[in-house]
Amino acid sequence: SQTIHQWPATLVQPVGSPLSLECTVEGTSNPNLYWYRQAAGRGLQLLFYSVGIGQISSEVPQNLSASRPQDRQFILSSKKLLLSDSGFYLCAWSVLSGTYNSPLHFGNGTRLTVT
Amino acid sequence: AQKITQTQPGMFVQEKEAVTLDCTYDTSDPSYGLFWYKQPSSGEMIFLIYQGSYDQQNATEGRYSLNFQKARKSANLVISASQLGDSAMYFCAMRGSYGNNRLAFGKGNQVVVIP
Repeated sequence: SQTIHQWPATLVQPVGSPLSLECTVEGTSNPNLYWYRQAAGRGLQLLFYSVGIGQISSEVPQNLSASRPQDRQFILSSKKLLLSDSGFYLCAWSVLSGTYNSPLHFGNGTRLTVT
Repeated sequence: AQKITQTQPGMFVQEKEAVTLDCTYDTSDPSYGLFWYKQPSSGEMIFLIYQGSYDQQNATEGRYSLNFQKARKSANLVISASQLGDSAMYFCAMRGSYGNNRLAFGKGNQVVVIP
């Protein structure tokens, strides 16, 4: 069966510090990978998605970036965090593109607080 | 682009009773999928149920059923025989057949089950 791992679970970082969140998927090949952010009490906002190694699409201009160095690894980064980057970050995967009937499966999320 | 609307305020429901969560959507895609997710206080997003735009029958998964009215563009979730563990945020989401396979979310409905 497929599993998705996301870490760390919680993170407190000062403004201006770098960020690296990692997500890995097991039990499937060539997944679509996604990073979402959820601000407190709000819905989910898509930040990045990837349909293959090295292929990253950005949905929202910001100081975050994403990379996919391996098929089942997705990394969210920032060189300098802002207070507004605080939130709950969720990684997700789905089967490869072309199937609107496939759900996204989410990791447990990372709660980031920028101080 | 897809738009999902969930406007109900927080809901209290008696244990063992049924609750209906409203969701309306708007899209220009000819084919699409509708999804419901549950987010308990721990934060993980749990996939509950899926309805395809061309499905003739309403989807059911255990105590969850989806009341799909395509002409009205609504996809309401019905939870039967509520349990205390059903207390959570519930998100309606849509994925279209065109574009980048993104899953667009509504802002969610808060449900609290009381004994």
